[in-house]
Amino acid sequence: QLQLQESGPGLVKPSETLSLTCTVSGDSISSSSYYWGWIRQPPGKGLEWIGSIYYSGSTYYNPSLKSRVTISVDTSRKQFSLELSSVTAADTAVYYCARMIGSGPFAYYGMDVWGQGTTVTVSS
Amino acid sequence: SYELTQPPSVSVSPGQTARITCSGDALPKKYAYWYQQKSGQAPVLLIYEDTKRPSGIPERFSGSSSGTMATLTISGAQVDDEADYYCYSTDSSGNHGVFGTGTKVTVL
Repeated sequence: QLQLQESGPGLVKPSETLSLTCTVSGDSISSSSYYWGWIRQPPGKGLEWIGSIYYSGSTYYNPSLKSRVTISVDTSRKQFSLELSSVTAADTAVYYCARMIGSGPFAYYGMDVWGQGTTVTVSS
Repeated sequence: SYELTQPPSVSVSPGQTARITCSGDALPKKYAYWYQQKSGQAPVLLIYEDTKRPSGIPERFSGSSSGTMATLTISGAQVDDEADYYCYSTDSSGNHGVFGTGTKVTVL
């Protein structure tokens, strides 16, 4: 059964870089059938798509975050990672990783299995 | 930036039908996905590619799409269906994902 687990610091200082890793178990991260995504949810607010990556390394980013976001994949470790630079209090949120299913171009993919989420607080 | 608009709240009596809409200009050419999120939990996929239901999702959840609007229907709503619901799709470029604004469903 597919499981995704987010890991990383729960507290990040303002202006520093937030780094999270998602470990995939129960399925192949190298499958050509999936994309892998990061989503966040600030306290009391809705879901926000951050970006997605294919096993080959192709990436898609939210335009509002693109200048600060890097998503990478390490197929040997069955992990994909998120880096968000120059964080502020507005980046405080629950961060989720997810598998994305679909067919054809990225445009037709959506999340099916989600990790449990990890809370990241930006504070000095 | 592209937006998917949902009603902030929907109320329904137990056993009745609730409909949640998701409006976006690119929806005629893109799929809608629907998620249920209960308090303190990760979202759960209810509907994918506009109308398909994953295994394990009750048949009372169904999806449809016409023009610029996708709709999630809960037929015979149960108290356990109280949750926040989100649609997801991509913008006209197909390169950027977007979540809807979210709808809080109350069953009472």
